Amino acid sequence: DGGITQSPKYLFRKEGQNVTLSCEQNLNHDAMYWYRQDPGQGLRLIYYSQIVNDFQKGDIAEGYSVSREKKESFPLTVTSAQKNPTAFYLCASSRGETGYGYTFGSGTRLTVV
Amino acid sequence: QKEVEQNSGPLSVPEGAIASLNCTYSDRGSQSFFWYRQYSGKSPELIMFIYSNGDKEDGRFTAQLNKASQYVSLLIRDSQPSDSATYLCAVMGTTDSWGKFQFGAGTQVVVTP
Repeated sequence: DGGITQSPKYLFRKEGQNVTLSCEQNLNHDAMYWYRQDPGQGLRLIYYSQIVNDFQKGDIAEGYSVSREKKESFPLTVTSAQKNPTAFYLCASSRGETGYGYTFGSGTRLTVV
Repeated sequence: QKEVEQNSGPLSVPEGAIASLNCTYSDRGSQSFFWYRQYSGKSPELIMFIYSNGDKEDGRFTAQLNKASQYVSLLIRDSQPSDSATYLCAVMGTTDSWGKFQFGAGTQVVVTP
């Protein structure tokens, strides 16, 4: 079955450490997105990519980096510059047109220890 | 600053009753409107979308859109305990590129037996 796979499900980061969250989709979707969700807040867009080898910053890109070398993959790196990284991270994909909404992955819960 | 506003709840609904959820948005040119359901600790799943003024029904769910008043609502008929979740409103405006949505913080619904 087609879908989006995020890994790991839980991730613990030490102070000053970079960590990478994986997102892979087999839906043949062109667009992919990373969102961050904090308790009591809506989803906030970190980065998005419409095509391979191209991506744009979202509303809260500082302290994060991404790559889009393959259509299927859109990994997110949380760098040491992100001072408050503890959150639930959601990867999503879409065909790109407005009519279909997102398909979300199951999420990665990142905690700073 | 574009905003999508929802009452955070919790909205307590007796089993079998109608749950009514509202969402207002600030970008008058918004085009596409989506409702997602999110169970605790899980990722959002798409319930329905609506583009045109009026009502759209899908099973026990009805989405209502009023662009002049800049609100979109979701009705859940014959509410079941399995409907207990947080419901997210997502809006795409005229200046948002290709599939990029603004999300509300969500309304928590609790269906009581």
